[in-house]
Amino acid sequence: AQSVTQLGSHVSVSEGALVLLRCNYSSSVPPYLFWYVQYPNQGLQLLLKYTTGATLVKGINGFEAEFKKSETSFHLTKPSAHMSDAAEYFCAVSEGGGADGLTFGKGTHLIIQP
Amino acid sequence: EADIYQTPRYLVIGTGKKITLECSQTMGHDKMYWYQQDPGMELHLIHYSYGVNSTEKGDLSSESTVSRIRTEHFPLTLESARPSHTSQYLCASSEGTGAYEQYFGPGTRLTVT
Repeated sequence: AQSVTQLGSHVSVSEGALVLLRCNYSSSVPPYLFWYVQYPNQGLQLLLKYTTGATLVKGINGFEAEFKKSETSFHLTKPSAHMSDAAEYFCAVSEGGGADGLTFGKGTHLIIQP
Repeated sequence: EADIYQTPRYLVIGTGKKITLECSQTMGHDKMYWYQQDPGMELHLIHYSYGVNSTEKGDLSSESTVSRIRTEHFPLTLESARPSHTSQYLCASSEGTGAYEQYFGPGTRLTVT
């Protein structure tokens, strides 16, 4: 069975500072990994995904994530935080195969301090 | 741009009422999903569908039911709403499984009094 652990339910950074949101996964097969963002009262929007190939993945809004198989991690980073980045961020894993949905982490609420 | 719609966006209803949450997508996706999300918690898959006339239960047990009569439409029904059903319900669709992105609707926030 697959699972996702996001360290830190809340992360607070200053505007302009580095954003680092941590995600570790467990999977019995090579995983597909996703980061989604959720703004208040909205659905989820895909930030980026890792399927195969290059382990450093670039997404929208200046975010990127690196797949590290040895550490079973897929941490999300952004060099310089902006006020508009304040939102809930979810890491998710899929093992492929059938139509099963994604397995999500509990989410990390990102707070941007002015 | 993803075109997946959910109605209503907000619903407050009394215990015992029957409700149907609507979800429609215009992308022609075969795969559709329903997730339940409590405040500050992760999303849990409650139903999914491979295509027309296909419905399956997800990881989280739910008293709701779904139907898939048309590709674009995947409604969720609660025959008798209870306060424990209070939650946010998110609908999603995807072109395929595994590496394929899931597109999410805006969600329905349900409150049962």
